[in-house]
Amino acid sequence: GAVVSQHPSWVICKSGTSVKIECRSLDFQATTMFWYRQFPKQSLMLMATSNEGSKATYEQGVEKDKFLINHASLTLSTLTVTSAHPEDSSFYICSASDVRQGQNSPLHFGNGTRLTVT
Amino acid sequence: DQQVKQNSPSLSVQEGRISILNCDYTNSMFDYFLWYKKYPAEGPTFLISISSIKDKNEDGRFTVFLNKSAKHLSLHIVPSQPGDSAVYFCAARPPGTYKYIFGTGTRLKVLA
Repeated sequence: GAVVSQHPSWVICKSGTSVKIECRSLDFQATTMFWYRQFPKQSLMLMATSNEGSKATYEQGVEKDKFLINHASLTLSTLTVTSAHPEDSSFYICSASDVRQGQNSPLHFGNGTRLTVT
Repeated sequence: DQQVKQNSPSLSVQEGRISILNCDYTNSMFDYFLWYKKYPAEGPTFLISISSIKDKNEDGRFTVFLNKSAKHLSLHIVPSQPGDSAVYFCAARPPGTYKYIFGTGTRLKVLA
């Protein structure tokens, strides 16, 4: 089945630094990947849609300059949290669909990245 | 504005019995629905889906029912097993997109 790999699984950084999270589709090509964020005991909130070869589209309320997304190839999308602050501490998860399975293909998720900003 | 709601934050069920997880949505245009299972510190794992043109889909111990008029779907797990203990999310897709809107999740605990 479709496998999505995310790295790192956890990261601790100091306030003001930037952190890059990678998301790879291992056995399929993903022209579109999705970045979600989950706060404790809350739902998964879609942050942005990453489009291969073009700009990402951000959901309302998500700062594009804060959360930089790059989708340079059909198997890799990166999310960079710039100038991280403690309130950015969260669980970030990427996902993608294998469109070879058709329109009704489910999202496959990476294992997530726990970001802690001190 | 929560378009997809799971009103029960938690549910406890005895092993071997049926688990019923519920999900309500507000947008009648949603055309595809998914259920995911999630363990702590892991990404969600896809369980089962249903298209809006159907009212039932079954896969092993998992069955999803869709009631479009009530804008309600449910996931039945039978028989429930301790390994089913996790948080379950329903998700709905607006037509013409690959985006999904997730519910708030229900924590299922299956008691041995």
